[in-house]
Amino acid sequence: NAGVTQTPKFQVLKTGQSMTLQCAQDMNHNSMYWYRQDPGMGLRLIYYSASEGTTDKGEVPNGYNVSRLNKREFSLRLESAAPSQTSVYFCASGSTSIFHNEQFFGPGTRLTVL
Amino acid sequence: AQRVTQPEKLLSVFKGAPVELKCNYSYSGSPELFWYVQYSRQRLQLLLRHISRESIKGFTADLNKGETSFHLKKPFAQEEDSAMYYCALGGATNKLIFGTGTLLAVQP
Repeated sequence: NAGVTQTPKFQVLKTGQSMTLQCAQDMNHNSMYWYRQDPGMGLRLIYYSASEGTTDKGEVPNGYNVSRLNKREFSLRLESAAPSQTSVYFCASGSTSIFHNEQFFGPGTRLTVL
Repeated sequence: AQRVTQPEKLLSVFKGAPVELKCNYSYSGSPELFWYVQYSRQRLQLLLRHISRESIKGFTADLNKGETSFHLKKPFAQEEDSAMYYCALGGATNKLIFGTGTLLAVQP
């Protein structure tokens, strides 16, 4: 099993450009998440999807949109990139059992916005 | 409000010394606590979950509900333990709240 996969691994954008980060999981998890990781800030939740067909905002959703394409795939879109969105983005998936909040992470996408 | 506090940004110890990474949480319900580890430029990996009460790579963590703490401990640090460590809090919403992380640097 590949677990959680993300593409691309690296990306450089100019301010105003758009892009979509792709995420897929093969663990049959219902929940999927997008985080950004910034120095001194830890991981902050951007959006999450508790199940196929549902998405909800996290702590820092502004400037992002998401699509839960099917149970396996959860994409994150930057419509008009800004330098403040320079970060490392992690996708994760997890069980929805109330006693099992464990999440499994992808390898990350390192995004630089110039 | 749910919150996780890791007071130390950096913890530097010598090889063989004991390690304690602090984590305090704020949560009104029954919490689930986790420690995740991130080695240099790699993905986050689960290290410990409080519900399992296990020791992984020599690390242990005990949930202290009275002090609302979940400190990570290891009696003898190894150089390969150098990494970023994140404490995370889960509740009934299937979302995790992460602390800001502590960078552990083990000096030879």
